[in-house]
Amino acid sequence: EPEVTQTPSHQVTQMGQEVILRCVPISNHLYFYWYRQILGQKVEFLVSFYNNEISEKSEIFDDQFSVERPDGSNFTLKIRSTKLEDSAMYFCASSAQGAYNEQFFGPGTRLTVL
Amino acid sequence: GNSVTQMEGPVTLSEEAFLTINCTYTATGYPSLFWYVQYPGEGLQLLLKATKADDKGSNKGFEATYRKETTSFHLEKGSVQVSDSAVYFCALITTQGGSEKLVFGKGTKLTVNP
Repeated sequence: EPEVTQTPSHQVTQMGQEVILRCVPISNHLYFYWYRQILGQKVEFLVSFYNNEISEKSEIFDDQFSVERPDGSNFTLKIRSTKLEDSAMYFCASSAQGAYNEQFFGPGTRLTVL
Repeated sequence: GNSVTQMEGPVTLSEEAFLTINCTYTATGYPSLFWYVQYPGEGLQLLLKATKADDKGSNKGFEATYRKETTSFHLEKGSVQVSDSAVYFCALITTQGGSEKLVFGKGTKLTVNP
């Protein structure tokens, strides 16, 4: 069964460093998403991406964040200069169509900023 | 704004016990409602959904009914199994502005003991 994969499963970085979180969505899907969950808090939407551009982003997704689909398979989230408060579980998701359609989630990357 | 409130966990039950996890929502427009489940070490999986008032979503013995009058979507199962141990997330999507983002509750951790 097709699934969304994410690498790495756990990333530890120093404050101020750049990190890139990688996701491989399901191959025929067109809509891609990043969510995050700070420990003990809600899963929060970060950004959605369709047709090679951002379709929606939250207030969290400031200039320190960027997304890219560098080739036909990967979908990345870059944090340019990490802060302590960026420590969270980051989930990638994809869907075949847009609103109301099932979003398929990856297992997440746990980011720890020291 | 749109929001989802879930009952606080963790919830611990014995096998074959009845399960209810409460979920209420606040939304503009007409939301679709979802329950996602996260098994240990895995990503979020869609458990069930309902797209309009009075719809009942069901899957794997779990049920939830979309109650517009009480703005609720409580998850129930008549007889839980050890394999149901997981974290359960209530979520919604609204049509407002064509948004595709899921708005999640905090999640409720369920542990079922043999």
